[in-house]
Amino acid sequence: AQSVTQPDIHITVSEGASLELRCNYSYGATPYLFWYVQSPGQGLQLLLKYFSGDTLVQGIKGFEAEFKRSQSSFNLRKPSVHWSDAAEYFCAVEGGSYIPTFGRGTSLIVHP
Amino acid sequence: DTEVTQTPKHLVMGMTNKKSLKCEQHMGHRAMYWYKQKAKKPPELMFVYSYEKLSINESVPSRFSPECPNSSLLNLHLHALQPEDSALYLCASSQETIGYGYTFGSGTRLTVV
Repeated sequence: AQSVTQPDIHITVSEGASLELRCNYSYGATPYLFWYVQSPGQGLQLLLKYFSGDTLVQGIKGFEAEFKRSQSSFNLRKPSVHWSDAAEYFCAVEGGSYIPTFGRGTSLIVHP
Repeated sequence: DTEVTQTPKHLVMGMTNKKSLKCEQHMGHRAMYWYKQKAKKPPELMFVYSYEKLSINESVPSRFSPECPNSSLLNLHLHALQPEDSALYLCASSQETIGYGYTFGSGTRLTVV
């Protein structure tokens, strides 16, 4: 069985500051890992994904994520946050089942 | 075209009404999905279509009836819904059923009165 944990319900950062959103997964092998962003009233948008290869993955909107097998983590980062990044962020894992498991989400609040 | 288009964007229906939600994609994706999302929660899978065949029904009540008329279209027929069915209904598509990630539509905000 696969599972994913996003330990932070809310994260507050100042505009221009760096950002790291945490994601931990549980699966017996290396799963497919994804980060999605959802702005209010919108659908989810895929930011990036990882399955194999370089453990540092670049995505859209200036985001990157690093896969760390030893920590079962796939944390999302951005060096400088913009006010438009305020949204809900979901980490998702696909393992043996092709049904992804979504984390509960982290709400990003950006202060001017 | 890199979008999933959902109509309508908003829908209010009574508990005795019949309505349909529509979803369309022209990316050549072979898998299409219906998700239900309540406020402040992750999306919950309802149905998966792979190559136009229903492959997963996540124990969804029969008042929700999916249909895949062709590889580009996905419908969700609604009948005799309950107020607790009010939610954001999201359609998504994927190149295949695993490993590619999803392209989501912007959803239909459904209110059952």
